[in-house]
Amino acid sequence: DAGVTQSPTHLIKTRGQQVTLRCSPKSGHDTVSWYQQALGQGPQFIFQYYEEEERQRGNFPDRFSGHQFPNYSSELNVNALLLGDSALYLCASSTWTGRGYTFGSGTRLTVV
Amino acid sequence: GESVGLHLPTLSVQEGDNSIINCAYSNSASDYFIWYKQESGKGPQFIIDIRSNMDKRQGQRVTVLLNKTVKHLSLQIAATQPGDSAVYFCAENPDTGFQKLVFGTGTRLLVSP
Repeated sequence: DAGVTQSPTHLIKTRGQQVTLRCSPKSGHDTVSWYQQALGQGPQFIFQYYEEEERQRGNFPDRFSGHQFPNYSSELNVNALLLGDSALYLCASSTWTGRGYTFGSGTRLTVV
Repeated sequence: GESVGLHLPTLSVQEGDNSIINCAYSNSASDYFIWYKQESGKGPQFIIDIRSNMDKRQGQRVTVLLNKTVKHLSLQIAATQPGDSAVYFCAENPDTGFQKLVFGTGTRLLVSP
């Protein structure tokens, strides 16, 4: 049984560009949450998707947006990239009624 | 605001010792707490959790203690092994009904053979 799958594993973007990160949840999970983890810090909650809708959002600007598809997979989009957006982006899946988070290995984004 | 903090950024122990990692949380309404282990290049891995109606929970070689009076959480690892070397985070769920987690900055555990 595959766990949470994220792609790509690494990427480098130029300041001002746009990026899309992808996440496939663990089988049986229908809720996807995204986190940003800066180097040496704990993960920070970006937003959560359930039933293809954003259910809760953390303190992140509108440059960060997302989407959830009918198969429960999700995308995180970041527009107008800043150097400070360089981080590890983590996806976590769970059931809506349960509390069991499973994290993926993340996508390492470097903005130059 | 919401915050979860840790007292020690780095903890160095000898193999076989018992390790204790501490965490302070600020939201007294939080009802669920989790300890995660994160190895280099990997996502956080669930270790153990505890609900606010409990003060202690044991797993395999790990014990979590919750003191709601002083808003303090600790993770005890028995007979620490080199494979336990990683960064450990505590996290709280401050919103009942949602699964948003608030993480601290982490404690690095270094285990020497």
